[in-house]
Amino acid sequence: ILNVEQSPQSLHVQEGDSTNFTCSFPSSNFYALHWYRWETAKSPEALFVMTLNGDEKKKGRISATLNTKEGYSYLYIKGSQPEDSATYLCAFNTGNQFYFGTGTSLTVIP
Amino acid sequence: DAGVIQSPRHEVTEMGQEVTLRCKPISGHDYLFWYRQTMMRGLELLIYFNNNVPIDDSGMPEDRFSAKMPNASFSTLKIQPSEPRDSAVYFCASREGPGTYEQYFGPGTRLTVT
Repeated sequence: ILNVEQSPQSLHVQEGDSTNFTCSFPSSNFYALHWYRWETAKSPEALFVMTLNGDEKKKGRISATLNTKEGYSYLYIKGSQPEDSATYLCAFNTGNQFYFGTGTSLTVIP
Repeated sequence: DAGVIQSPRHEVTEMGQEVTLRCKPISGHDYLFWYRQTMMRGLELLIYFNNNVPIDDSGMPEDRFSAKMPNASFSTLKIQPSEPRDSAVYFCASREGPGTYEQYFGPGTRLTVT
């Protein structure tokens, strides 16, 4: 079983604040790293998939970076809004299987 | 496409009863995954299929759990007999192929065993 860790476990920020969180994963057997956004009572929705060391992806106010050599990815949210409140999951992709972290729960306070 | 379809959305059953969860993957997707979400362990993989064949079932908790995929458009996850500790949300997901293809999740089935 591969160990994928996310930190912090939960985060409360004020509306307008920028924030970031971390996903750590093994540096071997790496194929891709995925980020998902998971709202309560819904299913996870894909945000980004990254494959190359140094990759950066951006979607609106959300961006992500990837460091495969040291085994981590950062997710950034600029100017957090209440609608950003969700759990953010990362998944380590070996090519066939995904190994999920336990997520970072973000609450944006209006 | 309607996305990954799961049924039922909610299931409440008594301990000892048989429970069957159903999943219809996205048409054309060759991979199907069953996950269980709990507070303690997050999202854990139970089993996955490739072209209807079970590839890795090492995540299946015990013999009470079984999964089948009789054709490309249907899979079941069965628990017999069910126990209160099986209470969780069970997600099905499908992928078009290996590599960087994305996984698409169904809405989940919330199972409560009393």
